[in-house]
Amino acid sequence: NAGVMQNPRHLVRRRGQEARLRCSPMKGHSHVYWYRQLPEEGLKFMVYLQKENIIDESGMPKERFSAEFPKEGPSILRIQQVVRGDSAAYFCASSPWGSGTDTQYFGPGTRLTVL
Amino acid sequence: SQQGEEDPQALSIQEGENATMNCSYKTSINNLQWYRQNSGRGLVHLILIRSNEREKHSGRLRVTLDTSKKSSSLLITASRAADTASYFCATGGVGGSQGNLIFGKGTKLSVKP
Repeated sequence: NAGVMQNPRHLVRRRGQEARLRCSPMKGHSHVYWYRQLPEEGLKFMVYLQKENIIDESGMPKERFSAEFPKEGPSILRIQQVVRGDSAAYFCASSPWGSGTDTQYFGPGTRLTVL
Repeated sequence: SQQGEEDPQALSIQEGENATMNCSYKTSINNLQWYRQNSGRGLVHLILIRSNEREKHSGRLRVTLDTSKKSSSLLITASRAADTASYFCATGGVGGSQGNLIFGKGTKLSVKP
């Protein structure tokens, strides 16, 4: 069984460009979570989605960041007009039920570097 | 605010020794999970312990949970060089959100051969 897939693994953008990060959950999982990790820090929750719905976006910055999980295809985390402070590792996780009691399975992450 | 806080921040031991890492949290939880992260990689789930459990084992791993003290410990017995990684605790089912995990900053474990 394929695990959680993320692409690209590494992404370099110049300030002001857009970054699109993709996440395909494990087969059978309909709940997706995005986390951000700064160097030497733990992961910080950003957003929790089910198919076609945002369940909790309390960790998302109010501007420039958006996320979606369409009926077909991967979940997308989109960062518009990137700034240097957006440089981080972005991890996606998935779970089967999303009840808060699930194990979350993490992808390998996308490392975003903003020049 | 940060929920899980691991202690110590860094731990260096010799191969064969046991490694103990602690985690404290602030609010009520549904479960507590431990993850491992090798440098530059994603997170690997190690073990989940529910709030009504006190101890759990998985191979060389032993996790305890004390909800009265709001703390958990992860013990790795007979450590190996391959155990070198950062270890994070994460709490689930807190507050209004039912989905997200709240992570601590991690303990960086170094096992010397």
